[in-house]
Amino acid sequence: AQSVTQLGSHVSVSEGALVLLRCNYSSSVPPYLFWYVQYPNQGLQLLLKYTSAATLVKGINGFEAEFKKSETSFHLTKPSAHMSDAAEYFCAVRTQYHTGNQFYFGTGTSLTVIP
Amino acid sequence: DAGVTQSPTHLIKTRGQQVTLRCSPKSGHDTVSWYQQALGQGPQFIFQYYEEEERQRGNFPDRFSGHQFPNYSSELNVNALLLGDSALYLCASSVLSGGYTDTQYFGPGTRLTVL
Repeated sequence: AQSVTQLGSHVSVSEGALVLLRCNYSSSVPPYLFWYVQYPNQGLQLLLKYTSAATLVKGINGFEAEFKKSETSFHLTKPSAHMSDAAEYFCAVRTQYHTGNQFYFGTGTSLTVIP
Repeated sequence: DAGVTQSPTHLIKTRGQQVTLRCSPKSGHDTVSWYQQALGQGPQFIFQYYEEEERQRGNFPDRFSGHQFPNYSSELNVNALLLGDSALYLCASSVLSGGYTDTQYFGPGTRLTVL
């Protein structure tokens, strides 16, 4: 079964510093990968998605992610953290079945931004 | 353009009771998926509905059932509530194309507390 692993349940960075949130996937076929952000007491908001068109994917709020097949990774980065980036981040993979598809989410990484 | 809406926002029930949660998908979307997100965890896929039928189901017991209406809105029903059913229940809508759904858009969720 396909799955995603997010390394580091908690990440703290200083305001203005680089943000790096790690995600590794297990997939026997080219995956469809997503990053979502969740603010307290809210639903999930799509940050970006990889659908094999380009390995470097740019998303909203200055985030981007690079798909590396050799490393089975899809890490999320942002050059300069802002206080408003503090939230929970989830990596997800879309599986394919003959009857349709399912989304599997990682356990999440909580990002803290230190002023 | 209204996004995905869910009702109610919060709900408190006691063990053994039954609950119904509701979801209206984003305009133009025909597929609704339901997720359970326990505290500190990523969303877990419950099931997906398209054309008023359940297409995919995750690893959840039969106490969890659903329905989709002709206007694409959906309900999640949980019978014989257990303490462990306490969670945030998320609804996600998407468009089915070529047998698969692409990006999912999430509602704000319903927080269910079982006492």
